[in-house]
Amino acid sequence: QKEVEQNSGPLSVPEGAIASLNCTYSDRGSQSFFWYRQYSGKSPELIMSIYSNGDKEDGRFTAQLNKASQYVSLLIRDSQPSDSATYLCAGDSGGGADGLTFGKGTHLIIQP
Amino acid sequence: ETGVTQTPRHLVMGMTNKKSLKCEQHLGHNAMYWYKQSAKKPLELMFVYNFKEQTENNSVPSRFSPECPNSSHLFLHLHTLQPEDSALYLCASSQLGREGADTQYFGPGTRLTVL
Repeated sequence: QKEVEQNSGPLSVPEGAIASLNCTYSDRGSQSFFWYRQYSGKSPELIMSIYSNGDKEDGRFTAQLNKASQYVSLLIRDSQPSDSATYLCAGDSGGGADGLTFGKGTHLIIQP
Repeated sequence: ETGVTQTPRHLVMGMTNKKSLKCEQHLGHNAMYWYKQSAKKPLELMFVYNFKEQTENNSVPSRFSPECPNSSHLFLHLHTLQPEDSALYLCASSQLGREGADTQYFGPGTRLTVL
């Protein structure tokens, strides 16, 4: 059974610091990985996608993928209180048409 | 706004009622999805429609019945639900066949309560 594992937290980070979120996945066939942010009572919002090993940067966000270790991470630099949310890690099934497998999410709290 | 709309946003129904959830995407995508999000559990994929054809049914009980009349619209018909079906139901769409094809964009969801 395909699984995506995340530490549910809460992860508490001081404002201005780097928040580091981690995720592991079980399906070696997965090719595409996604980080979504979900505020309480809202739907998931795409933050980053990553398909190749290495780092991908977009503004304050950096996604990292290591397929050999089946590990995905998200770094948030200069954390802001507005970054406080649940972050969902998701991976595909390799074929693109089968939907995504999500982790339970990590609850991030940025302390002012 | 992601370009994916869902109605209603909130729904309360009894176990003997029949209701339908509606999703519409304005992104020109060719795949649509239904997910269920319950408290303390990860998002669960329910159904996948690829070019209007259902390609996945993740062992969902028959009291949930999807319908995809065209690539822009997706319905979830509900009947004789149980209280444990209370959850946030999310619709998503994606464009298959391009780089980044798997990126799914979610609608705002329907918060369903079954009494």
